[in-house]
Amino acid sequence: EPEVTQTPSHQVTQMGQEVILRCVPISNHLYFYWYRQILGQKVEFLVSFYNNEISEKSEIFDDQFSVERPDGSNFTLKIRSTKLEDSAMYFCASSDRRAGGYTFGSGTRLTVV
Amino acid sequence: AQSVTQLGSHVSVSEGALVLLRCNYSSSVPPYLFWYVQYPNQGLQLLLKYTSAATLVKGINGFEAEFKKSETSFHLTKPSAHMSDAAEYFCAVSEGNNDMRFGAGTRLTVKP
Repeated sequence: EPEVTQTPSHQVTQMGQEVILRCVPISNHLYFYWYRQILGQKVEFLVSFYNNEISEKSEIFDDQFSVERPDGSNFTLKIRSTKLEDSAMYFCASSDRRAGGYTFGSGTRLTVV
Repeated sequence: AQSVTQLGSHVSVSEGALVLLRCNYSSSVPPYLFWYVQYPNQGLQLLLKYTSAATLVKGINGFEAEFKKSETSFHLTKPSAHMSDAAEYFCAVSEGNNDMRFGAGTRLTVKP
């Protein structure tokens, strides 16, 4: 069964450093998403991406965050200057159409120290 | 904007007992509704989804959910709990072209 692949599975970074979280969505999917889950809390929507542009973003997705689909297969989330409160599990998801149910990756656990 | 409320952050059942996890939604248009399961230290796995077809939706691992518009509910059930069902369960809603929003989650514990 097709999978969404996320790398790395764990990332530890120092506060203020830039991090890039990588995702390879399912190949024929057109809609891409990032969600995050702070430890023990709910899964929160960050951003959706379609046709090479952001289609929706939450209030969490401020100027420190950016997304990119650089080469037609990867979908990345960049955090420019990480803060302690950015520590969370970040999930990438993709879908072949909106509102059809997403396939999630297994997540990247980001720890900011 | 769409939202879901999951009643009960923690549900505990005995093995073999009925599992009932509650989810109520708020949506201005007919919604799409989903249940996801998250096992410890793993990602989110789709259990089932409602997309305006049959109101009783069957999913994986013996789970099912019934869409009840009059009650704005989409409760998840399983007739007989198994130890392997212990996990966190998330209800989620999407409105047409809007993106998916998750509930706070319900942690299911299964006692031997």
